[in-house]
Amino acid sequence: EADIYQTPRYLVIGTGKKITLECSQTMGHDKMYWYQQDPGMELHLIHYSYGVNSTEKGDLSSESTVSRIRTEHFPLTLESARPSHTSQYLCASSDSGPQSIYEQYFGPGTRLTVT
Amino acid sequence: SQQGEEDPQALSIQEGENATMNCSYKTSINNLQWYRQNSGRGLVHLILIRSNEREKHSGRLRVTLDTSKKSSSLLITASRAADTASYFCATASGGSNYKLTFGKGTLLTVNP
Repeated sequence: EADIYQTPRYLVIGTGKKITLECSQTMGHDKMYWYQQDPGMELHLIHYSYGVNSTEKGDLSSESTVSRIRTEHFPLTLESARPSHTSQYLCASSDSGPQSIYEQYFGPGTRLTVT
Repeated sequence: SQQGEEDPQALSIQEGENATMNCSYKTSINNLQWYRQNSGRGLVHLILIRSNEREKHSGRLRVTLDTSKKSSSLLITASRAADTASYFCATASGGSNYKLTFGKGTLLTVNP
């Protein structure tokens, strides 16, 4: 069982609201990721971080922003939610220590609906 | 363009049968991983195969990699109803073993 948590699990919010999706892991992993996934579709990497104070944009352009002030915490923020942001957001982490096998551990996801 | 493409998109079999899913990719890879996702939840890592490996086994799972054809296959033997899920391949390429590109997945349904 992966020790990576996401809150909220479900969020329905109106257009224009600011939202923050929380992601925390207790495994001490240095690498963390945010993916966006529409129903029945592939995952798209939108942000990743290889350590504290390090963040990069992923392959899919996103209006969201992220921060990595603490190793265990990688929140994602949307300043002004729009219906096009409706999707599932998955957070993941991985370890890069000498025993790493590069696998990513995923949280349960946040299903966001913007009305 | 998508790095990984799974085939078939959906597969329905009876319990006890074997399930084979294929993944094709476009560029050279460092490693290829298979993940499982139950009903829109988070993904679970199943198995990783490195670019210099041809076959790996883990329990009822067998993964093959053919770098000349840029393809991989995942075989689940003696399937169970609990294997019903979506299966994704993901590739790490370029200078990273960590940054993954996921395919569209195969939806496997195992009927009791």
